[in-house]
Amino acid sequence: AQKITQTQPGMFVQEKEAVTLDCTYDTSDQSYGLFWYKQPSSGEMIFLIYQGSYDEQNATEGRYSLNFQKARKSANLVISASQLGDSAMYFCAMREATKLVFGKGTKLTVNP
Amino acid sequence: GAVVSQHPSRVICKSGTSVKIECRSLDFQATTMFWYRQFPKQSLMLMATSNEGSKATYEQGVEKDKFLINHASLTLSTLTVTSAHPEDSSFYICSARPPSGTSNEQYFGPGTRLTVT
Repeated sequence: AQKITQTQPGMFVQEKEAVTLDCTYDTSDQSYGLFWYKQPSSGEMIFLIYQGSYDEQNATEGRYSLNFQKARKSANLVISASQLGDSAMYFCAMREATKLVFGKGTKLTVNP
Repeated sequence: GAVVSQHPSRVICKSGTSVKIECRSLDFQATTMFWYRQFPKQSLMLMATSNEGSKATYEQGVEKDKFLINHASLTLSTLTVTSAHPEDSSFYICSARPPSGTSNEQYFGPGTRLTVT
């Protein structure tokens, strides 16, 4: 069974607008962590944001925020004020013990 | 943030030869490193977990004898693709975790693009 589901293969957004990238997860663990990574065409994996399962508040890092809905098992990434440089693949991941399990990714294209 | 390097960034080799990829944590000690493989337009798939001073733990379906992993020190792990074939052509990425309690993050290397001709 898929542990991390990203249902949007591709998303388009106009520059300066906000965009939400969806992520749902499946786990029976009480303690887990959720991550979002950005992968530009160069291939490097850039850490964006982290949410712990016990964190009561949604994580925020600059223009990135994580909409964590524990009961729904969703951890959507919100990017505010999109920039052209935000065009990339975005991966949601969950930490199981020491491992990271990745979703299939969403390709975000920011249009000028 | 912490820095992880990989070498080489790109390598082209002939079928049947072996290729070694290095992963180094530059400013922290990593008792655990991870090796991933990524095919074009696909997600990262964990190949193995590399533990300093002990044998690597391979994921189901990954051939241990083909993908040799050596975690010789707290800052270096190597992945050797033995007797490479064209189907081994892929993007290989390593990551490392800082010591427990210092960060939730895994730091990724820039990746190595392997092409087997």
